[in-house]
Amino acid sequence: AQSVTQPDIHITVSEGASLELRCNYSYGATPYLFWYVQSPGQGLQLLLKYFSGDTLVQGIKGFEAEFKRSQSSFNLRKPSVHWSDAAEYFCAVGANNAGNMLTFGGGTRLMVKP
Amino acid sequence: DGGITQSPKYLFRKEGQNVTLSCEQNLNHDAMYWYRQDPGQGLRLIYYSQIVNDFQKGDIAEGYSVSREKKESFPLTVTSAQKNPTAFYLCASSKGRGWGTEAFFGQGTRLTVV
Repeated sequence: AQSVTQPDIHITVSEGASLELRCNYSYGATPYLFWYVQSPGQGLQLLLKYFSGDTLVQGIKGFEAEFKRSQSSFNLRKPSVHWSDAAEYFCAVGANNAGNMLTFGGGTRLMVKP
Repeated sequence: DGGITQSPKYLFRKEGQNVTLSCEQNLNHDAMYWYRQDPGQGLRLIYYSQIVNDFQKGDIAEGYSVSREKKESFPLTVTSAQKNPTAFYLCASSKGRGWGTEAFFGQGTRLTVV
């Protein structure tokens, strides 16, 4: 069974600073990886996804993530954080079978200091 | 606009009552899912359905029931057997039966036991 770990429950960064959110996964084959963002009381919005090919993927809102098979990681990055980026971020791995279910990490809550 | 609609946004339940959460999608997706979200615990899968008239238990199905009589609809009933139902419930859908297709989420229903 697949699993996802997001080691950081909370992260606080200053506006304009760079950001990296960590995600480690466990899966027996090539994973399908996703990052979602959730504003308080809202649903989840897809930021980016990795299926195959280039290991550096670009997403919406200036985010990017890099798939590193050797480290079983899919860390999310942004060069300069904006106050509107404050939210909860979830990493997820998809099962490569007909079930196509997502397994989520516990989430990282990002706070942005002015 | 295509999307997933969950209703109601807020729901209050008395002890011992069953309540039903609605989820409708017009994305023509085959697969639909129900997740439960508790603070600091990420998302946990309750039930999923790959096709009409078929559904499977997820990781925390006890105390919940679902039906899938129409492709567009996947209602979740929280029964009196669910001992701790207060949570945020998210419905999602995906194309299903394929590899790596992402899930699209509704805006959630917050259920509170009073």
